[in-house]
Amino acid sequence: GEDVEQSLFLSVREGDSSVINCTYTDSSSTYLYWYKQEPGAGLQLLTYIFSNMDMKQDQRLTVLLNKKDKHLSLRIADTQTGDSAIYFCAETPGGSQGNLIFGKGTKLSVKP
Amino acid sequence: NAGVMQNPRHLVRRRGQEARLRCSPMKGHSHVYWYRQLPEEGLKFMVYLQKENIIDESGMPKERFSAEFPKEGPSILRIQQVVRGDSAAYFCASSPGSPNTEAFFGQGTRLTVV
Repeated sequence: GEDVEQSLFLSVREGDSSVINCTYTDSSSTYLYWYKQEPGAGLQLLTYIFSNMDMKQDQRLTVLLNKKDKHLSLRIADTQTGDSAIYFCAETPGGSQGNLIFGKGTKLSVKP
Repeated sequence: NAGVMQNPRHLVRRRGQEARLRCSPMKGHSHVYWYRQLPEEGLKFMVYLQKENIIDESGMPKERFSAEFPKEGPSILRIQQVVRGDSAAYFCASSPGSPNTEAFFGQGTRLTVV
């Protein structure tokens, strides 16, 4: 079945790196995404990676994809208090019409 | 180019009433997706529409829920005879094509059923 798993909480100190992990089940997923949701707000697309890539870097964000283990991670370098939010991993399952399957989200708390 | 616009942002309905949620996609986007987010949960796909067509409604409850995306005007998610369990945040996303490489989300409509 389709299921995206994430740990629910992560707490880091300001300036440290944060690593948020995600596992997915559909090996034929074409794109994998990371979204950020601040309290009471909508979802902001942070980055996405195509399934034939291993890594993607975008400023402070690094996405690593291990297709064999169906594992996706998001690393935030030099984490700031403004990074405190819920981070959702999502996949576009193979054969879908483009709809996304989301994990339950990881709540990142950044302590000063 | 305005983003995805949803209104209202907050909606309160009594049990048994109807709720109508609107979504205007980004300019140039003809694909609309509706998702529901229950408290402390991720988003669950409900329905995917293109102009005047429902493409995939596999996530829609069988009763009381309907969606449309007319040729002119916003997409509408309609919930008839609301119950407490319908209380959630409803998000709309739009993309220019499918499969979507980048879906842009609206701010959501937070429905509270009292």
